[in-house]
Amino acid sequence: GAGVSQSPSNKVTEKGKDVELRCDPISGHTALYWYRQSLGQGLEFLIYFQGNSAPDKSGLPSDRFSAERTGGSVSTLTIQRTQQEDSAVYLCASRRRGDTAADTQYFGPGTRLTVL
Amino acid sequence: GQNIDQPTEMTATEGAIVQINCTYQTSGFNGLFWYQQHAGEAPTFLSYNVLDGLEEKGRFSSFLSRSKGYSYLLLKELQMKDSASYLCAVRALYSGAGSYQLTFGKGTKLSVIP
Repeated sequence: GAGVSQSPSNKVTEKGKDVELRCDPISGHTALYWYRQSLGQGLEFLIYFQGNSAPDKSGLPSDRFSAERTGGSVSTLTIQRTQQEDSAVYLCASRRRGDTAADTQYFGPGTRLTVL
Repeated sequence: GQNIDQPTEMTATEGAIVQINCTYQTSGFNGLFWYQQHAGEAPTFLSYNVLDGLEEKGRFSSFLSRSKGYSYLLLKELQMKDSASYLCAVRALYSGAGSYQLTFGKGTKLSVIP
């Protein structure tokens, strides 16, 4: 597609359940980022994938969060044993090249996660 | 680490000019971005500054002073559709991962009134 897509757009789950969020980056973009945006807060960096390199997981808030990127394209963010504080909008962004400062990130529409 | 400050909210009148300020403290600075985010939508890229000075793009301009850790976004001839949040983001090289990462401010919610 022309832009970054994410699914589902909305997800409501019960506390303690696992959820999977999907991101399809722009074709040919080698860099992929996951962010979390809570109400009234800025975008919080979670994880970064660049080509075949080991991902930068420094932003993941706990070991309940994990992500993978298969075939250098689609990425899945998994949250295990969800907690109410995990409720937020999860945004994915992709970038054409990962190591050049001038390349900007293009964001998907986000997945709004609500944990009851 | 990074620290980015911008006003929480601003209100301006249609047709006017508004300046949204952003101050930052960071090491390894490698550029500053401004994004626009309408309610319920994804952020969209507005501007990028890596050198000191003013970058102009239509009704929007962005200024950077690296020595002062300061940037502003200037919006001219405001329109109702400019009501949105404006996010300041600083890019820095994270030596551990060898990659550039963006750190975002909390955003400035701009309301344009008739």
